Amino acid sequence: GAGVSQSPSNKVTEKGKDVELRCDPISGHTALYWYRQSLGQGLEFLIYFQGNSAPDKSGLPSDRFSAERTGGSVSTLTIQRTQQEDSAVYLCASSLDGTSGSRFFGPGTRLTVL
Amino acid sequence: KNEVEQSPQNLTAQEGEFITINCSYSVGISALHWLQQHPGGGIVSLFMLSSGKKKHGRLIATINIQEKHSSLHITASHPRDSAVYICAVTPPLSSYNNNDMRFGAGTRLTVKP
Repeated sequence: GAGVSQSPSNKVTEKGKDVELRCDPISGHTALYWYRQSLGQGLEFLIYFQGNSAPDKSGLPSDRFSAERTGGSVSTLTIQRTQQEDSAVYLCASSLDGTSGSRFFGPGTRLTVL
Repeated sequence: KNEVEQSPQNLTAQEGEFITINCSYSVGISALHWLQQHPGGGIVSLFMLSSGKKKHGRLIATINIQEKHSSLHITASHPRDSAVYICAVTPPLSSYNNNDMRFGAGTRLTVKP
């Protein structure tokens, strides 16, 4: 597609449920990033993929969070046993490679945990 | 202390005014980014720079590597420029977290007609 797409755009879930958030990067972009923006807070780095591998998982806030990327394209961020503090906008971005170039952001998924 | 500091936090201007947003950082970087986030939440990358100055339309971004400081200027501001402007840095490629983008808290700009 022309840009980074994310789905769903909005997700409301109950505390304790698992959720999956999807990111489709720009075709040909090898680097993919996940960020989180909590209400009234700044952006927070979660994880970075170069191809299918994730050399940097340092930003994942807990072991309830995991992410995978298959085929060097689509990525899924999974949050298990969601908590209310997980409520945030989850943003995905991609860039041509991991060493240079601007990042292109998706529209985000707004997650609300009740 | 945050590694990336922006000022001001909030800025209100009248249409047509020249606007400056400042960013200071305390870590080594490979590049500095200026991002724009509109009320709907979408983020657009405005500039990525590692030295000197870049211009795109009414937007100008400068960086002083020695002083670890960058500025974003908007000339002839317009209400449609109203958004949150975010400064972010990416660390040197040799560092452990080689793509961990560090973000400033953002500057909320409101341009009144």
